[in-house]
Amino acid sequence: RKEVEQDPGPFNVPEGATVAFNCTYSNSASQSFFWYRQDCRKEPKLLMSVYSSGNEDGRFTAQLNRASQYISLLIRDSKLSDSATYLCVVTPHSQAGTALIFGKGTTLSVSS
Amino acid sequence: EAQVTQNPRYLITVTGKKLTVTCSQNMNHEYMSWYRQDPGLGLRQIYYSMNVEVTDKGDVPEGYKVSRKEKRNFPLILESPSPNQTSLYFCASATGGGWNEKLFFGSGTQLSVL
Repeated sequence: RKEVEQDPGPFNVPEGATVAFNCTYSNSASQSFFWYRQDCRKEPKLLMSVYSSGNEDGRFTAQLNRASQYISLLIRDSKLSDSATYLCVVTPHSQAGTALIFGKGTTLSVSS
Repeated sequence: EAQVTQNPRYLITVTGKKLTVTCSQNMNHEYMSWYRQDPGLGLRQIYYSMNVEVTDKGDVPEGYKVSRKEKRNFPLILESPSPNQTSLYFCASATGGGWNEKLFFGSGTQLSVL
């Protein structure tokens, strides 16, 4: 089983749609979880951290399910500008310097 | 402005010709790291550094060298580039250990080795 797995998509949705991505991770001791956004050929940028209790930032909601070892990202009321690749990032454990593990990304395309 | 600066943005070279990609951050971050990104493979870590004079291998270190003589700079060195090192490279930095902190990425270097 790969360490961090994401459905590559693409997810093609109309403006205003709600879309959800999941990301599974293999190491049950994983400590930190993030969603990054990457536009084509540009640098990834942190979208949001994922907390155990779940967290929301405007139209974006992130959830963590430790029992099933996955994190999710929900985007409500999709905008054209949400079109990008969304990277799931996991830290295997709490040791400082540990390499972050990036998923390969899920591509979202929002159309008018 | 807080940023990570990578240079050059694009680089075309030939097999075996040594090159250096520079990376500099102005945020006084302890942690710096290099990644390469390839289609279908995602972002893979090459090397990282926890602080000055402290470097360690990531997932794909073969064919690369790094140094961390100053806190702000973390150059990536390809002593003898080969075509399989053609890739999009990103430098990143973070405070603390990097494992639970926001990563700040440079704008990337597209390297082509002919």
